[in-house]
Amino acid sequence: DAGVIQSPRHEVTEMGQEVTLRCKPISGHDYLFWYRQTMMRGLELLIYFNNNVPIDDSGMPEDRFSAKMPNASFSTLKIQPSEPRDSAVYFCASSFNTGNTEAFFGQGTRLTVV
Amino acid sequence: AQSVTQLDSQVPVFEEAPVELRCNYSSSVSVYLFWYVQYPNQGLQLLLKYLSGSTLVKGINGFEAEFNKSQTSFHLRKPSVHISDTAEYFCAVKGSARQLTFGSGTQLTVLP
Repeated sequence: DAGVIQSPRHEVTEMGQEVTLRCKPISGHDYLFWYRQTMMRGLELLIYFNNNVPIDDSGMPEDRFSAKMPNASFSTLKIQPSEPRDSAVYFCASSFNTGNTEAFFGQGTRLTVV
Repeated sequence: AQSVTQLDSQVPVFEEAPVELRCNYSSSVSVYLFWYVQYPNQGLQLLLKYLSGSTLVKGINGFEAEFNKSQTSFHLRKPSVHISDTAEYFCAVKGSARQLTFGSGTQLTVLP
């Protein structure tokens, strides 16, 4: 397996624009996680899915953020409208449906909102 | 609820010296513990994990960690570091829920 695949790797957009980040989890993994990493707040869990169903979205900062998982091999994180304070590295991770397994991370998407 | 505290935000150390990165956790239930490493502009990569059994866990790149339940700690150690170990290291805990809770990270800088 190629691992967790995220696209794009880098995104620069203007304030107010819509941004869509994409993630392909490892085949067979039941859980998918979206994290955000910033210098100020470190790694924050935004939302996670189990079998394509959102389980906990309490980490989503505002209504401007939304995430979907239409099937087992694809998820999106959308920000509309984007703001400069959304600039961060966004990571997608996936894992099996057992408590004692680690999460596997993608390479991340570095988002810059100007 | 669970939380992780990494006591040192930055640790500079000379090449071939030993290093210890400290991690303490709190949780009301039994937990699984993990250390991840992040190289610049990369994702997080698993170094090692503690699930049960022996409290000394060995990982990749010569790292090891010791689980201490009474002190709720999971410190990461390496007897001799290399320049290539320069990276950020994250301690993480997983309890009854499936998500990982991460510490704030420790930047290890190995000096020549």
